[in-house]
Amino acid sequence: DGGITQSPKYLFRKEGQNVTLSCEQNLNHDAMYWYRQDPGQGLRLIYYSQIVNDFQKGDIAEGYSVSREKKESFPLTVTSAQKNPTAFYLCASSNLGTQYFGPGTRLLVL
Amino acid sequence: DQQVKQNSPSLSVQEGRISILNCDYTNSMFDYFLWYKKYPAEGPTFLISISSIKDKNEDGRFTVFLNKSAKHLSLHIVPSQPGDSAVYFCAARGVSGTYKYIFGTGTRLKVLA
Repeated sequence: DGGITQSPKYLFRKEGQNVTLSCEQNLNHDAMYWYRQDPGQGLRLIYYSQIVNDFQKGDIAEGYSVSREKKESFPLTVTSAQKNPTAFYLCASSNLGTQYFGPGTRLLVL
Repeated sequence: DQQVKQNSPSLSVQEGRISILNCDYTNSMFDYFLWYKKYPAEGPTFLISISSIKDKNEDGRFTVFLNKSAKHLSLHIVPSQPGDSAVYFCAARGVSGTYKYIFGTGTRLKVLA
């Protein structure tokens, strides 16, 4: 079954804590992406990666970090520097054509 | 600087009628456009796309029209069904050869039974 998986579905973060959101794809896509969606708003690009071991900042990269050690995986770390992390996080992948999305992770701050 | 704009935040349509969702863009270098449907707390689902070398693409009840001179695209849904009620995003792929996609802010469609 080809697709994109994200885990966990819900994640709680305490003040000052780093948390990592997982994203895996088995579509053999070169590119992977992280977006953030806030209530009533569109999708804002956090980071994207076109190939393994390379990634670029999107429009709102501050307070986030990523790695791309494997083609299939693109984890996103929300660091303590991100002061307003509560949002719905979406991972996607593509091969220059259609971009496909995972089911999302909702991050909440305790 | 919003390069892809959806100026109507919401739209209501009667079941069975046509829904028309609009999208404008500013960069003439965009070469590939997509429409997505999104339900709350779920990832967007791909609906239909169009290359800049075409002006129309059809898939079942969904048709996308591209007017390059006006930098405008639209999604037509005919006939509209209650299950079509969702938020619709248009997106443009960045300059040819890049992997970056730019999304509009979405239009919430409500199909009334």
